[in-house]
Parts: sequence; structure tokens; C-alpha cells
Amino acid sequence: EPEVTQTPSHQVTQMGQEVILRCVPISNHLYFYWYRQILGQKVEFLVSFYNNEISEKSEIFDDQFSVERPDGSNFTLKIRSTKLEDSAMYFCATFGTGLYGYTFGSGTRLTVV
Amino acid sequence: QKEVEQDPGPLSVPEGAIVSLNCTYSNSAFQYFMWYRQYSRKGPELLMYTYSSGNKEDGRFTAQVDKSSKYISLFIRDSQPSDSATYLCAMRDNYGQNFVFGPGTRLSVLP
Repeated sequence: EPEVTQTPSHQVTQMGQEVILRCVPISNHLYFYWYRQILGQKVEFLVSFYNNEISEKSEIFDDQFSVERPDGSNFTLKIRSTKLEDSAMYFCATFGTGLYGYTFGSGTRLTVV
Repeated sequence: QKEVEQDPGPLSVPEGAIVSLNCTYSNSAFQYFMWYRQYSRKGPELLMYTYSSGNKEDGRFTAQVDKSSKYISLFIRDSQPSDSATYLCAMRDNYGQNFVFGPGTRLSVLP
């Protein structure tokens, strides 16, 4: 069964550092998303990406965040200057036409110290 | 009022029990309803989806949507210890691409 692959599985970074989280979507899916889940809290929408541009973003997705699909395969989330409160699980999800639900990756656990 | 609400649990049941998990929501425009299962430190896994109102059955799982009451349910028959996980409901309207998730209900099925 096709999978969404995320790397790294766990990243520890110092406050103020930049991090890039990577996702390899399912090959024929066209819609890409980032969600985050702070420990013990609900899954929160960050951003959706379609046709090489952001189609929707939440209030959480401020100027510190950016997304891109640099090489047509990887889908990345960059946090420019991490804060302690950015510590969370970050999930990439993809969505194919004709389907109803996302396929999620296993997530990247980001720990900001 | 939060957009999607779930009882966070934990809900503990003996093996073989019928489990009922529920979500309520406030946005009457929601049309697509999903149930995801999330094991600890893993990504959510799609279990069931329904469009608009009605029931859907898949093996031991049944999803119900009552749009008039803004209430959805997931029933698990003959529950197994492997069903122990957090169950998330998620929903969206016809136009938005992103799903709104409930906070999840933690289920423990005891052998």
C-alpha cells in the first residue's frame, strides 16, 4: 500500500535554529498538507498546498513557516527560527482525487530546547 | 463552542465489548466525516469515511452520521486489545480542503 514518508522521525533543535521537515507524498496525489499535534492535544491544520502554491493556511502558519516542493517529489516544511512552543509532532498528509480521506505520514517529532 | 468535540476518555472496556465513540460538531456545512485511529507516536490512520448522513459498515466498524443532530458515531464490535488507540473524528465542508479534527478519544480494550 502506498505510504507517505517523513524524515527525520525525530529532530532536536535549539531555540532560534532553522529546521526543515521533509515529506515524500504518494506519487499520484496532488494535494499536500502539514498538520501538527502538540503532545496530548488535537491535530491542528497548518497549511495546504496544491499546484505548487499554498491554497489555505491557518493562523498558526505565520511568517516563521514556509513550505515548498523543491524537486517535484519532496514536500518540505521549514521553520525559520524555532520557539519552544513549536515542539510537537508534525504530520504530512496527502490527498488524491476520488478519495475521501488523507493518508498521513508517521510524523516528525520536533523537540525545541 | 469548539467546532468539533469528543469525550477525551480514557474509555476502558473488556475485550469483546461493543464500543461507541462519538463526536458533536457545530458547523452545519460539514459534509465529509472521517474516523481515524492513532496509535501512540504514530500518524493517524483512516478507518472510515461517510458523506452526508447515514450509516456505513466495514467489518467490525460502523460509522453513523446524524446531520440533524450534528452528531457522528463510530461503533466497534467485538473489540480487541489491538483496538486500543486514540480515535479521532475529522470533518470538512464541500469547499475547504482541510479537515477539522476532534481532540480524540483514548480507548483501552482490556484482555
